[in-house]
Amino acid sequence: NAGVTQTPKFRILKIGQSMTLQCAQDMNHNYMYWYRQDPGMGLKLIYYSVGAGITDKGEVPNGYNVSRSTTEDFPLRLELAAPSQTSVYFCASRSDRGPNQPQHFGDGTRLSIL
Amino acid sequence: RKEVEQDPGPFNVPEGATVAFNCTYSNSASQSFFWYRQDCRKEPKLLMSVYSSGNEDGRFTAQLNRASQYISLLIRDSKLSDSATYLCVGAYGSSNTGKLIFGQGTTLQVKP
Repeated sequence: NAGVTQTPKFRILKIGQSMTLQCAQDMNHNYMYWYRQDPGMGLKLIYYSVGAGITDKGEVPNGYNVSRSTTEDFPLRLELAAPSQTSVYFCASRSDRGPNQPQHFGDGTRLSIL
Repeated sequence: RKEVEQDPGPFNVPEGATVAFNCTYSNSASQSFFWYRQDCRKEPKLLMSVYSSGNEDGRFTAQLNRASQYISLLIRDSKLSDSATYLCVGAYGSSNTGKLIFGQGTTLQVKP
């Protein structure tokens, strides 16, 4: 029962470095999402995907890129890390069987940019 | 104005108390609503969906009032294990995207 798996769980980056946050799901969900959550705040949508080869911007896409080459994987790329990107990142997936389907979240990646 | 607004709290209540959280939303086109629960530094987990007719799951009752654009969550007989942040969530867009808009959350502390 893996569900949504995110790696790494923690990471510290220097300003200007790049990295990829990995997300994989084994539920054959077409819809996948990346959120960030700053302390004391709700989740904000960065990017989402409705299927392999299809991605779109959310509320806060600047500084990030995504790809969706397979149904299972939805990596999030930070090209030039900035302190403002210090946050907790959650990946989620959902079945496409209608709007009432809940999103299933990974454990999160805690990222600090110093 | 935020699309989904909640009173951040914290709500500090004794065990056994009944507590109610409210949430308002600004986009009348929203399709579905949910309450998620988030424990400290953990991922959000679905608590319950919210339907116009109201729905109940054990000690939890959720209500949606589309005319007033208002959602509520009632917790009866609070347990220590109910301490968490409760996120009001609206689903927007077509059924092809299922984008969720999260409120900032309401923090509940249940004390012995």
